[in-house]
Amino acid sequence: AQKVTQAQTEISVVEKEDVTLDCVYETRDTTYYLFWYKQPPSGELVFLIRRNSFDEQNEISGRYSWNFQKSTSSFNFTITASQVVDSAVYFCALPSRAGANSKLTFGKGITLSVRP
Amino acid sequence: DARVTQTPRHKVTEMGQEVTMRCQPILGHNTVFWYRQTMMQGLELLAYFRNRAPLDDSGMPKDRFSAEMPDATLATLKIQPSEPRDSAVYFCASARYSNTGELFFGEGSRLTVL
Repeated sequence: AQKVTQAQTEISVVEKEDVTLDCVYETRDTTYYLFWYKQPPSGELVFLIRRNSFDEQNEISGRYSWNFQKSTSSFNFTITASQVVDSAVYFCALPSRAGANSKLTFGKGITLSVRP
Repeated sequence: DARVTQTPRHKVTEMGQEVTMRCQPILGHNTVFWYRQTMMQGLELLAYFRNRAPLDDSGMPKDRFSAEMPDATLATLKIQPSEPRDSAVYFCASARYSNTGELFFGEGSRLTVL
């Protein structure tokens, strides 16, 4: 069965620090997608990124970057120069089965607090 | 700015009462999901629909929960009778295509069953 583990439950940093959120997954599928979602205090989850297992290149989007390593089944998320607005719960997710990319299994989430 | 709209945002009810939560997906999205979020279990998929047809409701307790899409602009999740263990935040999400994994979530309906 698909499994997503986010071992860190809460992280607190001071603004401008870099922070890495870890995600480890288990799947028997040979090809798959991985996702990160953000849940700000307003409540709704917001899609951040989708990554195909074929592509292990790091992805960068502004202050956000993602490091996908198939060998260690990890898909870590780094926020550079964190800001107070980054405070949220972050979820890593994996499709529940191959071919059903929208039926997502989410990790338990990491609560990130960025202090001024 | 297109959004998924959920009502009610908050609901407090007594055990045994019927609860109906409603969701208006983003216009043009053909896939709708219901998720439940609790501290203990995290986010769990309850059911999802494609083109209004139920695709999977295996995550839903069938004896008391039901999900429907009367039309393309409305999805409903009903609990009858409600129990205290149903207390959670219920999220509706929609997707333009059924297989991308890019879901657009509503702000959730926070249900408290006393």
